[in-house]
Amino acid sequence: GQSLEQPSEVTAVEGAIVQINCTYQTSGFYGLSWYQQHDGGAPTFLSYNALDGLEETGRFSSFLSRSDSYGYLLLQELQMKDSASYFCAGETGANNLFFGTGTRLTVIP
Amino acid sequence: NAGVTQTPKFQVLKTGQSMTLQCAQDMNHEYMSWYRQDPGMGLRLIHYSVGAGITDQGEVPNGYNVSRSTTEDFPLRLLSAAPSQTSVYFCASSPETSGNYEQYFGPGTRLTVT
Repeated sequence: GQSLEQPSEVTAVEGAIVQINCTYQTSGFYGLSWYQQHDGGAPTFLSYNALDGLEETGRFSSFLSRSDSYGYLLLQELQMKDSASYFCAGETGANNLFFGTGTRLTVIP
Repeated sequence: NAGVTQTPKFQVLKTGQSMTLQCAQDMNHEYMSWYRQDPGMGLRLIHYSVGAGITDQGEVPNGYNVSRSTTEDFPLRLLSAAPSQTSVYFCASSPETSGNYEQYFGPGTRLTVT
């Protein structure tokens, strides 16, 4: 079956670095995406890893290791506005996208 | 561009009623999809479409129908509402004919079935 596991909650200090992990068990896995969702809002796309390695977009980086069935999202220079839920999502064949249950990040002063 | 729009924003239905959730996008995206999100959970794919006239089932399609007569519109029909369908529904679109690229989400429809 398909499942993506994430920690349910993470707390970090403003200005610090935080890593949110995602481990998956999927068949025919194509790549890993990350989305941010503020309370009451819609998910917004952050990054996509089709290949192993690190992708960097400003303060956000995402990493994928297919051999370990593992990925992570790295947030640097944390800001209060980064407090939100973060979801990893993986695609199996036939355009089926599966989301993890999400990690709620709380940034404290 | 308005992006992805959804109507209504809120809806209350009685068990057994039917209704259509509307979704439209003005970005000329081929790929569109519907998700539901239950409290404290991730999104689950209901149905998706890779172009006008083409639809397919996602992870949780039972109780829902879709059609794609134009590139812009992708309505979701609840055939006979049940309390288990109480959820937040998001429509999304993507310029790629695949779900695992950047998807643009609408603001959501919050549905309660009593």
